Amino acid sequence: GAVVSQHPSWVICKSGTSVKIECRSLDFQATTMFWYRQFPKQSLMLMATSNEGSKATYEQGVEKDKFLINHASLTLSTLTVTSAHPEDSSFYICSASDMGTGELFFGEGSRLTVL
Amino acid sequence: GENVEQHPSTLSVQEGDSAVIKCTYSDSASNYFPWYKQELGKRPQLIIDIRSNVGEKKDQRIAVTLNKTAKHFSLHITETQPEDSAVYFCAASGRGGADGLTFGKGTHLIIQP
Repeated sequence: GAVVSQHPSWVICKSGTSVKIECRSLDFQATTMFWYRQFPKQSLMLMATSNEGSKATYEQGVEKDKFLINHASLTLSTLTVTSAHPEDSSFYICSASDMGTGELFFGEGSRLTVL
Repeated sequence: GENVEQHPSTLSVQEGDSAVIKCTYSDSASNYFPWYKQELGKRPQLIIDIRSNVGEKKDQRIAVTLNKTAKHFSLHITETQPEDSAVYFCAASGRGGADGLTFGKGTHLIIQP
Protein backbone atom coordinates (compact mmCIF):
# COMPACT_ATOMS: atom_id res chain seq x y z
CA GLY A 1 0.00 0.00 0.00
CA ALA A 2 0.90 3.65 -0.23
CA VAL A 3 3.47 4.89 2.26
CA VAL A 4 4.02 8.26 3.87
CA SER A 5 7.32 8.63 5.65
CA GLN A 6 8.14 11.18 8.33
CA HIS A 7 11.58 12.12 9.54
CA PRO A 8 12.80 12.33 12.20
CA SER A 9 10.58 9.99 14.21
CA TRP A 10 11.72 11.66 17.38
CA VAL A 11 13.80 14.71 18.21
CA ILE A 12 14.96 16.45 21.35
CA CYS A 13 16.07 20.06 21.14
CA LYS A 14 16.89 22.99 23.36
CA SER A 15 14.48 25.83 23.90
CA GLY A 16 14.93 28.57 21.32
CA THR A 17 16.20 26.35 18.52
CA SER A 18 14.35 25.42 15.34
CA VAL A 19 13.41 21.93 14.26
CA LYS A 20 12.47 20.72 10.78
CA ILE A 21 10.21 17.71 10.20
CA GLU A 22 9.87 16.14 6.77
CA CYS A 23 6.87 14.36 5.33
CA ARG A 24 7.36 12.34 2.15
CA SER A 25 4.94 10.40 0.03
CA LEU A 26 7.06 7.50 -1.19
CA ASP A 27 5.01 5.99 -4.01
CA PHE A 28 2.43 8.57 -4.96
CA GLN A 29 2.17 12.27 -5.63
CA ALA A 30 0.36 14.57 -3.27
CA THR A 31 -0.72 18.10 -4.11
CA THR A 32 -2.12 18.37 -0.60
CA MET A 33 -0.58 17.35 2.70
CA PHE A 34 -1.90 18.04 6.17
CA TRP A 35 -0.08 18.64 9.44
CA TYR A 36 -1.62 17.60 12.76
CA ARG A 37 -0.48 17.97 16.34
CA GLN A 38 -1.39 15.53 19.10
CA PHE A 39 -0.71 16.20 22.76
CA PRO A 40 -0.55 13.22 25.17
CA LYS A 41 -3.90 11.51 25.63
CA GLN A 42 -5.60 13.99 23.35
CA SER A 43 -6.96 13.97 19.85
CA LEU A 44 -5.30 15.04 16.62
CA MET A 45 -5.72 18.73 15.83
CA LEU A 46 -5.34 19.96 12.27
CA MET A 47 -2.69 22.68 12.19
CA ALA A 48 -2.44 23.51 8.51
CA THR A 49 -3.03 22.37 4.98
CA SER A 50 0.05 22.30 2.81
CA ASN A 51 -0.47 22.91 -0.88
CA GLU A 52 2.24 22.18 -3.42
CA GLY A 53 3.53 25.34 -4.99
CA SER A 54 1.50 27.74 -2.87
CA LYS A 55 1.23 29.02 0.66
CA ALA A 56 -0.09 26.80 3.39
CA THR A 57 -3.49 27.40 4.91
CA TYR A 58 -3.36 27.58 8.69
CA GLU A 59 -6.14 26.73 11.13
CA GLN A 60 -7.35 29.35 13.53
CA GLY A 61 -5.01 29.81 16.46
CA VAL A 62 -1.95 28.33 14.73
CA GLU A 63 0.89 30.83 14.32
CA LYS A 64 2.12 30.72 10.74
CA ASP A 65 5.39 32.45 11.63
CA LYS A 66 6.13 29.85 14.26
CA PHE A 67 5.16 26.79 12.24
CA LEU A 68 6.67 27.28 8.81
CA ILE A 69 5.40 24.93 6.13
CA ASN A 70 6.99 24.37 2.76
CA HIS A 71 5.57 22.08 0.09
CA ALA A 72 8.13 22.43 -2.65
CA SER A 73 7.41 19.24 -4.55
CA LEU A 74 4.61 16.74 -5.09
CA THR A 75 6.24 14.30 -2.66
CA LEU A 76 7.64 16.46 0.12
CA SER A 77 6.27 18.85 2.72
CA THR A 78 8.29 20.20 5.63
CA LEU A 79 7.20 21.67 8.94
CA THR A 80 9.70 23.86 10.77
CA VAL A 81 8.99 24.69 14.39
CA THR A 82 10.86 27.95 14.92
CA SER A 83 12.17 29.11 18.29
CA ALA A 84 10.75 26.02 19.94
CA HIS A 85 9.61 26.15 23.55
CA PRO A 86 8.65 23.35 25.96
CA GLU A 87 4.94 23.92 25.24
CA ASP A 88 5.64 22.96 21.60
CA SER A 89 6.55 19.46 22.74
CA SER A 90 4.06 17.18 21.02
CA PHE A 91 3.50 14.42 18.49
CA TYR A 92 3.38 15.93 15.00
CA ILE A 93 1.74 13.80 12.29
CA CYS A 94 1.40 14.51 8.61
CA SER A 95 -1.02 13.01 6.14
CA ALA A 96 -0.93 13.09 2.37
CA SER A 97 -3.72 12.84 -0.16
CA ASP A 98 -2.95 10.71 -3.20
CA MET A 99 -3.79 13.02 -6.10
CA GLY A 100 -4.64 10.03 -8.26
CA THR A 101 -7.10 8.23 -5.95
CA GLY A 102 -7.90 10.81 -3.29
CA GLU A 103 -6.98 8.35 -0.55
CA LEU A 104 -5.46 9.75 2.60
CA PHE A 105 -2.40 8.24 4.28
CA PHE A 106 -0.74 9.15 7.57
CA GLY A 107 2.95 9.36 8.32
CA GLU A 108 4.44 7.60 11.34
CA GLY A 109 4.55 10.79 13.35
CA SER A 110 7.41 12.78 14.86
CA ARG A 111 7.72 13.20 18.60
CA LEU A 112 9.25 16.55 19.52
CA THR A 113 10.58 17.20 23.01
CA VAL A 114 11.79 20.71 23.78
CA LEU A 115 13.95 21.02 26.88
CA GLY B 1 -15.84 25.31 11.13
CA GLU B 2 -16.63 21.68 11.73
CA ASN B 3 -17.07 20.36 15.27
CA VAL B 4 -17.06 16.63 16.01
CA GLU B 5 -18.28 15.23 19.32
CA GLN B 6 -17.44 11.65 20.29
CA HIS B 7 -18.85 9.44 23.07
CA PRO B 8 -18.01 7.69 25.25
CA SER B 9 -14.47 8.71 26.17
CA THR B 10 -13.84 5.28 27.68
CA LEU B 11 -15.63 2.02 26.91
CA SER B 12 -14.98 -1.28 28.62
CA VAL B 13 -16.60 -4.42 27.25
CA GLN B 14 -16.23 -8.15 27.80
CA GLU B 15 -14.38 -10.09 25.15
CA GLY B 16 -16.89 -11.36 22.61
CA ASP B 17 -19.42 -8.61 23.27
CA SER B 18 -20.15 -5.72 20.93
CA ALA B 19 -18.87 -2.15 21.24
CA VAL B 20 -20.54 0.96 19.87
CA ILE B 21 -18.95 4.40 19.62
CA LYS B 22 -20.99 7.41 18.54
CA CYS B 23 -20.09 10.72 16.93
CA THR B 24 -21.97 13.81 15.89
CA TYR B 25 -20.85 16.52 13.53
CA SER B 26 -21.98 20.07 12.97
CA ASP B 27 -21.21 20.98 9.35
CA SER B 28 -23.83 19.67 6.95
CA ALA B 29 -21.30 20.09 4.12
CA SER B 30 -19.12 17.29 5.53
CA ASN B 31 -19.36 14.23 3.34
CA TYR B 32 -16.56 11.91 4.41
CA PHE B 33 -16.46 10.11 7.78
CA PRO B 34 -13.49 7.86 8.56
CA TRP B 35 -12.76 5.93 11.72
CA TYR B 36 -9.22 5.43 12.96
CA LYS B 37 -7.62 3.09 15.46
CA GLN B 38 -4.52 4.41 17.20
CA GLU B 39 -2.16 2.51 19.42
CA LEU B 40 0.09 4.37 21.81
CA GLY B 41 2.79 6.37 20.02
CA LYS B 42 1.78 5.19 16.56
CA ARG B 43 0.07 6.67 13.58
CA PRO B 44 -3.72 6.41 13.23
CA GLN B 45 -4.82 3.42 11.16
CA LEU B 46 -7.92 3.72 9.02
CA ILE B 47 -10.31 0.90 9.90
CA ILE B 48 -13.41 1.91 7.97
CA ASP B 49 -14.91 4.96 6.34
CA ILE B 50 -18.25 6.03 4.93
CA ARG B 51 -19.33 8.72 2.52
CA SER B 52 -22.51 10.72 2.70
CA ASN B 53 -24.19 8.90 -0.16
CA VAL B 54 -24.23 5.67 1.87
CA GLY B 55 -26.11 4.87 5.09
CA GLU B 56 -24.20 1.83 6.24
CA LYS B 57 -20.98 0.00 5.48
CA LYS B 58 -19.65 -3.25 6.87
CA ASP B 59 -16.27 -4.95 6.82
CA GLN B 60 -16.21 -8.26 8.70
CA ARG B 61 -16.62 -7.43 12.41
CA ILE B 62 -16.70 -3.67 11.87
CA ALA B 63 -19.60 -1.58 10.64
CA VAL B 64 -20.34 2.11 10.40
CA THR B 65 -23.74 3.76 10.13
CA LEU B 66 -24.46 7.32 9.06
CA ASN B 67 -27.57 9.42 9.65
CA LYS B 68 -27.16 12.59 7.62
CA THR B 69 -30.37 14.14 8.85
CA ALA B 70 -29.35 13.86 12.47
CA LYS B 71 -25.68 14.44 11.65
CA HIS B 72 -24.43 11.45 13.52
CA PHE B 73 -22.45 8.34 12.70
CA SER B 74 -21.51 5.30 14.73
CA LEU B 75 -18.88 2.57 14.80
CA HIS B 76 -19.96 -0.95 15.67
CA ILE B 77 -17.47 -3.68 16.53
CA THR B 78 -18.90 -7.16 17.06
CA GLU B 79 -17.28 -10.20 18.68
CA THR B 80 -14.63 -8.02 20.26
CA GLN B 81 -11.14 -9.43 20.79
CA PRO B 82 -8.27 -8.32 23.07
CA GLU B 83 -6.42 -6.87 20.07
CA ASP B 84 -9.30 -4.45 19.54
CA SER B 85 -8.14 -2.57 22.64
CA ALA B 86 -6.92 0.86 21.49
CA VAL B 87 -8.05 4.45 21.12
CA TYR B 88 -10.57 5.01 18.35
CA PHE B 89 -11.14 8.36 16.67
CA CYS B 90 -13.97 9.41 14.42
CA ALA B 91 -13.44 12.24 11.96
CA ALA B 92 -15.33 14.33 9.46
CA SER B 93 -14.28 16.20 6.36
CA GLY B 94 -15.69 18.04 3.40
CA ARG B 95 -14.86 17.40 -0.25
CA GLY B 96 -14.33 13.71 0.38
CA GLY B 97 -11.37 14.26 2.68
CA ALA B 98 -9.69 17.00 0.68
CA ASP B 99 -10.46 19.59 3.33
CA GLY B 100 -8.47 17.98 6.12
CA LEU B 101 -10.00 15.99 8.94
CA THR B 102 -11.69 17.24 12.10
CA PHE B 103 -11.29 14.56 14.74
CA GLY B 104 -13.41 13.62 17.71
CA LYS B 105 -11.72 13.46 21.10
CA GLY B 106 -11.29 9.72 20.96
CA THR B 107 -12.63 6.66 22.77
CA HIS B 108 -10.37 4.39 24.78
CA LEU B 109 -11.77 0.92 24.15
CA ILE B 110 -10.81 -1.71 26.70
CA ILE B 111 -11.60 -5.35 26.01
CA GLN B 112 -11.82 -7.33 29.23
CA PRO B 113 -10.74 -10.98 28.89
